[in-house]
Amino acid sequence: SYELTQPLSVSVALGQTARITCGGNNIGSKNVHWYQQKPGQAPVLVIYRDSNRPSGIPERFSGSNSGNTATLTISRAQAGDEADYYCQVWDSSTEVFGTGTKVTVL
Amino acid sequence: EVQLLESGGGLVQPGGSLRLSCAASGFTFSSYAMSWVRQAPGKGLEWVSGISGSGGTTYYADSVKGRFTISRDNSKNTLYLQMNSLRAEDTAVYYCAKGAEVATTTGAFDIWGQGTMVTVSS
Repeated sequence: SYELTQPLSVSVALGQTARITCGGNNIGSKNVHWYQQKPGQAPVLVIYRDSNRPSGIPERFSGSNSGNTATLTISRAQAGDEADYYCQVWDSSTEVFGTGTKVTVL
Repeated sequence: EVQLLESGGGLVQPGGSLRLSCAASGFTFSSYAMSWVRQAPGKGLEWVSGISGSGGTTYYADSVKGRFTISRDNSKNTLYLQMNSLRAEDTAVYYCAKGAEVATTTGAFDIWGQGTMVTVSS
């Protein structure tokens, strides 16, 4: 089965840039989606199809995807960006989620 | 307002059954694929099952195949998950989620319900 690997945690200073990776075999050939989940809340879609932002998502969130790694970038990080982040792809008739990354804003 | 509201969770013994429902409102329900996604306590997201807008195509994670059945009633704007032969490892919050793009079976989920807790324990 297809696996998506994310770092367990990422720390970023307030106002700086955080990059969260999602590794998978030839993931660049797939559509990658990203979610933000805060404690006790349902996930929220922040990026779909590699680099598209749903309405209401700040421009500070961006995405890229190439080769074996997709990346979610959070620019000018704010305290409110502290959350768990998950990537997602479709493979072999199943949706697959990444292992999740906890982002801490220092 | 687009909204999903799950119900039907609770405590069930191993080997038992439970039926989850997800009531949708604020969008043309039959035009969108829907999925169930679960999250065990303190763990990550796990996709469980998906269904096309018409209901004619269904998909399942290997972990639930043969035990869970997804269905939908487009006349009632409701999604279901019938869960049989439940195991302790099925304990989780179950979310229903709406496909982000019309007439596609796979892809991102742009709307999520608040979740319903399922606990499998004796």
